[in-house]
Amino acid sequence: GEKVEQHESTLSVREGDSAVINCTYTDTASSYFPWYKQEAGKSLHFVIDIRSNVDRKQSQRLIVLLDKKAKRFSLHITATQPEDSAIYFCAARDYGNEKITFGAGTKLTIKP
Amino acid sequence: GGIITQTPKFLIGQEGQKLTLKCQQNFNHDTMYWYRQDSGKGLRLIYYSITENDLQKGDLSEGYDASREKKSSFSLTVTSAQKNEMAVFLCASSQGKNTEVFFGKGTRLTVV
Repeated sequence: GEKVEQHESTLSVREGDSAVINCTYTDTASSYFPWYKQEAGKSLHFVIDIRSNVDRKQSQRLIVLLDKKAKRFSLHITATQPEDSAIYFCAARDYGNEKITFGAGTKLTIKP
Repeated sequence: GGIITQTPKFLIGQEGQKLTLKCQQNFNHDTMYWYRQDSGKGLRLIYYSITENDLQKGDLSEGYDASREKKSSFSLTVTSAQKNEMAVFLCASSQGKNTEVFFGKGTRLTVV
């Protein structure tokens, strides 16, 4: 089955700088790649996604890049703010079914 | 908007006990999921269901049963609680392929 690896378990950046979180996946058939944010003591909520028919998507300060050849996708957070501090999870959804596999999470800390 | 309600919020059980976690959603979503979140290990899929009375095993289904008797509810049973499965159990739902997944606030299981 699909395996999603999230490369950075922790990441610390200065406020205003950019943060990049990288993920790789194993199943070439995966076609949908969402990202979720989990703030301290709370559940996960959706932040952005990308489908396999595009290689870039932007929503305000969030950019997702997808490299299907390398089976790699990444989340870029630009002009980081203190409220960006959280655990971020990448995920991949199989093409043929509803199963979603998550990475282990990256704890992002924004330093003042 | 909608909401996913998980009950109970905290569950304490004895080793070997059978325990049931409940989840209700009012999004009218077809697909529902149960994930287990262990500290530092991300989310692992236990069971999911694409419609009423459907059950699909995830990567971590051994030791668990699930039931989807109604579209709006999805319950998870720990068949024999073990101390090494203390974790937060997250219920989620989505409308279908390539759509946002919404999460509940979780049930924290403690086994004594």
